[in-house]
Amino acid sequence: DQQVKQNSPSLSVQEGRISILNCDYTNSMFDYFLWYKKYPAEGPTFLISISSIKDKNEDGRFTVFLNKSAKHLSLHIVPSQPGDSAVYFCAASDGGTDKLIFGTGTRLQVFP
Amino acid sequence: DAGVIQSPRHEVTEMGQEVTLRCKPISGHNSLFWYRQTMMRGLELLIYFNNNVPIDDSGMPEDRFSAKMPNASFSTLKIQPSEPRDSAVYFCANRRATSGLTDTQYFGPGTRLTVL
Repeated sequence: DQQVKQNSPSLSVQEGRISILNCDYTNSMFDYFLWYKKYPAEGPTFLISISSIKDKNEDGRFTVFLNKSAKHLSLHIVPSQPGDSAVYFCAASDGGTDKLIFGTGTRLQVFP
Repeated sequence: DAGVIQSPRHEVTEMGQEVTLRCKPISGHNSLFWYRQTMMRGLELLIYFNNNVPIDDSGMPEDRFSAKMPNASFSTLKIQPSEPRDSAVYFCANRRATSGLTDTQYFGPGTRLTVL
């Protein structure tokens, strides 16, 4: 059973517009969430994270929003750039373990 | 630092053969994780080590899978015998600290395994 779900396998956005990637989770014990970005033939790289004590974290063009009551988080990229084209993985953990639970990923394509 | 090094980058083998995947972690990074990526299940944690000691292997799918970390510089993931459903990309990741999720995991480039 997938505890972390990314229901959109792909997303296509025009350069300069906003990209919104969504992630849902089922385990109410999760208290730390991360986004990783993955280019082809490379390993995932850390992008941004958020603790459950916050509802928003911002880093440049990237902002992660957390809605604990809905068990939902989203990653906003503004403005989107062609170099943002990659697969984005959402991950979560309950803090009581060192394990990250990853989603299946969303492939973002930013076109000119 | 060269980052996490994995070898081979690609492996094609026939069903029933033994497969060994290798990982050289970042020096001084004390936690090591093995993941498997498939389209259906995304990134799954198979096993992780702290200070060369296996901590949690609950993600290892079957007894055909085994992992070792004989020292701080080397880890292997072995599949014996391999099956077509083992075809996936296998990643090794490191983290400096042995606890604390705020410490980033650094991933290697992965090994793409194809079992015919």
